[in-house]
Amino acid sequence: GNSVTQMEGPVTLSEEAFLTINCTYTATGYPSLFWYVQYPGEGLQLLLKATKADDKGSNKGFEATYRKETTSFHLEKGSVQVSDSAVYFCALSNNQAGTALIFGKGTTLSVSS
Amino acid sequence: EPEVTQTPSHQVTQMGQEVILRCVPISNHLYFYWYRQILGQKVEFLVSFYNNEISEKSEIFDDQFSVERPDGSNFTLKIRSTKLEDSAMYFCASREQDYSNQPQHFGDGTRLSIL
Repeated sequence: GNSVTQMEGPVTLSEEAFLTINCTYTATGYPSLFWYVQYPGEGLQLLLKATKADDKGSNKGFEATYRKETTSFHLEKGSVQVSDSAVYFCALSNNQAGTALIFGKGTTLSVSS
Repeated sequence: EPEVTQTPSHQVTQMGQEVILRCVPISNHLYFYWYRQILGQKVEFLVSFYNNEISEKSEIFDDQFSVERPDGSNFTLKIRSTKLEDSAMYFCASREQDYSNQPQHFGDGTRLSIL
């Protein structure tokens, strides 16, 4: 079946540190991949997406590359800020399984100054 | 930027009571979804809806659940007889087109607490 696995959190970093949140997936066919972010008390916001192999999604300094050979979509940011503190969800959507988003468990990031 | 709006933000209900959660999707979107997130767990798909019909539903979406688009703007999720385990954050989402590469846009959620 289709599934998403994210690294366990929480991730605690100092401001300006490098961030990596690992995400791997299992899917039939060719899924689209997404990162969503949930700030405290808010809903899910799309952070970035990639729809085919080797695509790189980017937004607000965050990047993720769709790696079909390793079935991964790791989220990275070169220098995190306190305002990046949030829960990050990796998700996939696969037309072969309908159009529901399948989410990972989420990774909590806490950035201190 | 257009948003998905959900009301209420927090709903407290006695076990066994009916509850209706409301959503106003983005106006030109045609595909609508409900998801739920039990505290500390992953976001789970409940149901998708298009052209006044359910397109897909998960095994969570049993006979206690129903969805409706009662007018041109609202999209509702009804839980007929709530159970303690229905306590969760419920998210509504909408999408303009039904392609997997199109992102879904989410509301801020309704926190449902069953007592």
